Amino acid sequence: DAKTTQPNSMESNEEEPVHLPCNHSTISGTDYIHWYRQLPSQGPEYVIHGLTSNVNNRMASLAIAEDRKSSTLILHRATLRDAAVYYCILFTSGTYKYIFGTGTRLKVLA
Amino acid sequence: GAVVSQHPSWVICKSGTSVKIECRSLDFQATTMFWYRQFPKQSLMLMATSNEGSKATYEQGVEKDKFLINHASLTLSTLTVTSAHPEDSSFYICSAREGTVSNQPQHFGDGTRLSIL
Repeated sequence: DAKTTQPNSMESNEEEPVHLPCNHSTISGTDYIHWYRQLPSQGPEYVIHGLTSNVNNRMASLAIAEDRKSSTLILHRATLRDAAVYYCILFTSGTYKYIFGTGTRLKVLA
Repeated sequence: GAVVSQHPSWVICKSGTSVKIECRSLDFQATTMFWYRQFPKQSLMLMATSNEGSKATYEQGVEKDKFLINHASLTLSTLTVTSAHPEDSSFYICSAREGTVSNQPQHFGDGTRLSIL
């Protein structure tokens, strides 16, 4: 299964943008990049996903490198409620399985 | 939309008891459901994939006789931890996929915290 690598933790000040990186150098042509976040004692919450082009939704933006070997989740204005563990996952068509990595624990400072 | 409900959210029971956890898709039909477990400060670990009307597919190292999975309808999957022991204490999370479109994201329940005394 293709793997992702993320920094263990990051900090951001409230109301500032946050860029969460993810490396996935073994990504194959049909793998989608999915991002989730998990608050304490809750299940993961879907954030965004993409294949090749950059994607935007109400929660975040996803910037995908041209070679697709890395991507960045962008939170445009971090709030205290954005403090969570963020997971970058490669989704492989056919297996439908998610293999979670260690994720990035985001701390937002007031 | 796309809500997954998990029940119970928290259970404490004695060693040797069997515990059933339910996972329901409330507003969509889930052809595939997944079961994960998560230990404190660790990531989610996929236990098994469950397709409606067929046997579950277990990940390597997960005992299928210990963790019984039933996916009898398109909106309900159950995980039964049989003869639970303290080492089975964990946070169990289910997720569900809607339909068969390949890139559809999974929707997760809020988890069940299981504590075995």
